[in-house]
Amino acid sequence: AQTVTQSQPEMSVQEAETVTLSCTYDTSESDYYLFWYKQPPSRQMILVIRQEAYKQQNATENRFSVNFQKAAKSFSLKISDSQLGDAAMYFCAYRSAYSGYALNFGKGTSLLVTP
Amino acid sequence: KAGVTQTPRYLIKTRGQQVTLSCSPISGHRSVSWYQQTPGQGLQFLFEYFSETQRNKGNFPGRFSGRQFSNSRSEMNVSTLELGDSALYLCASSQDGGGTGYTFGSGTRLTVV
Repeated sequence: AQTVTQSQPEMSVQEAETVTLSCTYDTSESDYYLFWYKQPPSRQMILVIRQEAYKQQNATENRFSVNFQKAAKSFSLKISDSQLGDAAMYFCAYRSAYSGYALNFGKGTSLLVTP
Repeated sequence: KAGVTQTPRYLIKTRGQQVTLSCSPISGHRSVSWYQQTPGQGLQFLFEYFSETQRNKGNFPGRFSGRQFSNSRSEMNVSTLELGDSALYLCASSQDGGGTGYTFGSGTRLTVV
């Protein structure tokens, strides 16, 4: 089974600054999907950004962008101009394009945003 | 459009009892997945249904079961509850089995005493 590793249990950033959350994964597959989800205290998982492995271009969504390094099996999330509302748990997730329909999640990174 | 709706939001049960959780997906979504979230194990996949058929199952004991109805609504059942079943149970729906991303509900917080 594919494993997803988030090596930073907690991160802190000041408002308006930029922060990068790390994610690495282990797979032998060539095609897959990667996701970043945000879970605020309300508990609902919110899709932040999505990347298809066969696409070279890094995905961006407004203030959120990824650095996808397929050979290194790395998928980091950059949050620019951080806002207080960005404070949450962030989960990196992997989904195979071939087998099954499950999301494999990392353990998460808790992001604190300070004024 | 309405999001993914999970009921109830909170549930307290006694060891040995059984429980049924409900999930209504976004209209038009035919894929529904269930996840268990605990502080120790994190997020773990339970199963996925598409058009009333279970397509994939995670590594959970047979006490955990589910089903999907013709209107895509799904239920998850846990029998003979154990203390370790205390968790947040999340349901997620998708049009295509998740390649474009799943939309999650707010979860059901189950406490087993």
